[in-house]
Amino acid sequence: GQSLEQPSEVTAVEGAIVQINCTYQTSGFYGLSWYQQHDGGAPTFLSYNALDGLEETGRFSSFLSRSDSYGYLLLQELQMKDSASYFCAVRATGFQKLVFGTGTRLLVSP
Amino acid sequence: NAGVMQNPRHLVRRRGQEARLRCSPMKGHSHVYWYRQLPEEGLKFMVYLQKENIIDESGMPKERFSAEFPKEGPSILRIQQVVRGDSAAYFCASSPGLAAEAGTDTQYFGPGTRLTVL
Repeated sequence: GQSLEQPSEVTAVEGAIVQINCTYQTSGFYGLSWYQQHDGGAPTFLSYNALDGLEETGRFSSFLSRSDSYGYLLLQELQMKDSASYFCAVRATGFQKLVFGTGTRLLVSP
Repeated sequence: NAGVMQNPRHLVRRRGQEARLRCSPMKGHSHVYWYRQLPEEGLKFMVYLQKENIIDESGMPKERFSAEFPKEGPSILRIQQVVRGDSAAYFCASSPGLAAEAGTDTQYFGPGTRLTVL
């Protein structure tokens, strides 16, 4: 089976940088994804890592270390609209389904 | 290009009734996934379908729940004899093909159906 751990909540101020960590256990591994979900909204794809290293997409970056079963999402120049829940998700080799972590609630204050 | 569409957005049922949730994938997408999300929790996989085939239903409860994706029309998630514990947000997602072929895990989510069982 697969399991993922994330911090339950992170707080930061506008303009700051925040890192949301994710550790995972899986019997096989294909890739680590990150999704954003605002209250009452649908999950929205942010980033995907299949190989070790950093992927950058605008203010958001995602990192993966396969040897450590660890990844993180880095959000820079935080804005109020970034207040949302962030989920990491893995897909095990041979399966199509995504297994999601329990989510990290990010609260951005002025 | 319309995104994933789900209806209804909100559904209220009394215990014992049936709930029928619909999902139309993005144009060109042939893979559909259903997930359930309880308040303050992550999304839990339920079932993965391609046209006319259930590929993976490992997350579906054994009783009362069924899903289909017919050749024509939307995918349907059906919950019979609903109970209060079925109250949740049900999200449908779609992808264009196998993740291995696409080189990415991107799944595109619909707005969800929020089911409330009284």
